[in-house]
Amino acid sequence: QSVLTQPPSASGTPRQRVTISCSGSRSNIGSNSVNWYQHLPGTAPKLLIYSNNQRPSGVPDRFSGSKSATSASLAISGLQSEDEADYYCAAWDDSLNGYVFGTGTKITVL
Amino acid sequence: EVQLVETGGGLVQPGGSLRLSCAASGFTVSTNYMTWVRQAPGKGLEWVSVIYRDGRTYYTDSVKGRFTISRDNSKNMFYIQMNSLRAEDTAVYFCARGNYYDITGYSFDPWGQGTLVTVSS
Repeated sequence: QSVLTQPPSASGTPRQRVTISCSGSRSNIGSNSVNWYQHLPGTAPKLLIYSNNQRPSGVPDRFSGSKSATSASLAISGLQSEDEADYYCAAWDDSLNGYVFGTGTKITVL
Repeated sequence: EVQLVETGGGLVQPGGSLRLSCAASGFTVSTNYMTWVRQAPGKGLEWVSVIYRDGRTYYTDSVKGRFTISRDNSKNMFYIQMNSLRAEDTAVYFCARGNYYDITGYSFDPWGQGTLVTVSS
């Protein structure tokens, strides 16, 4: 149902680099900025990246975001056990006149 | 401290109504974009509704005509009135502040802890 597609899962060992992709279309990622959220079940989601590649204060620089055309990606370098969580991309969609979240990616630290 | 706290969740029968409240502290609701996001059991995050500073409101298609977002500036709170509830509305509902950064969008931060709404007979 979501218009932003992410891989359902990804994994890595500690200190590795993991990348999550987010595929959209001209009406969402192609026209608007992308945000990324981290969510541990049972807790409040947390903003990780806003405006494609900006980190809020307090977010480690291990997290980085990028955007190209109708796709975006989140990279986590120096993977840590505490990074195990669900990650969502999100953007406004001009055609739907609403905000859309990605399908979500579960990160596992092996 | 900037904080949001949701209340009002619970068990409701299909076709029933429920109003969720979100109390804000540390900032002013009326000068921000305020939003509701939900997560159904075992599913991902789903945006529900937003109210802009100027009062404009937007909804995801599945709740249009059934849900109404509003705010009370005097109480620094905002709400979502949910009518004609369906089983598929069962979810944890989060409120969040929208931070407008430029014409290309806004992000949600912070978020409340969420309140569970269960629609079942």
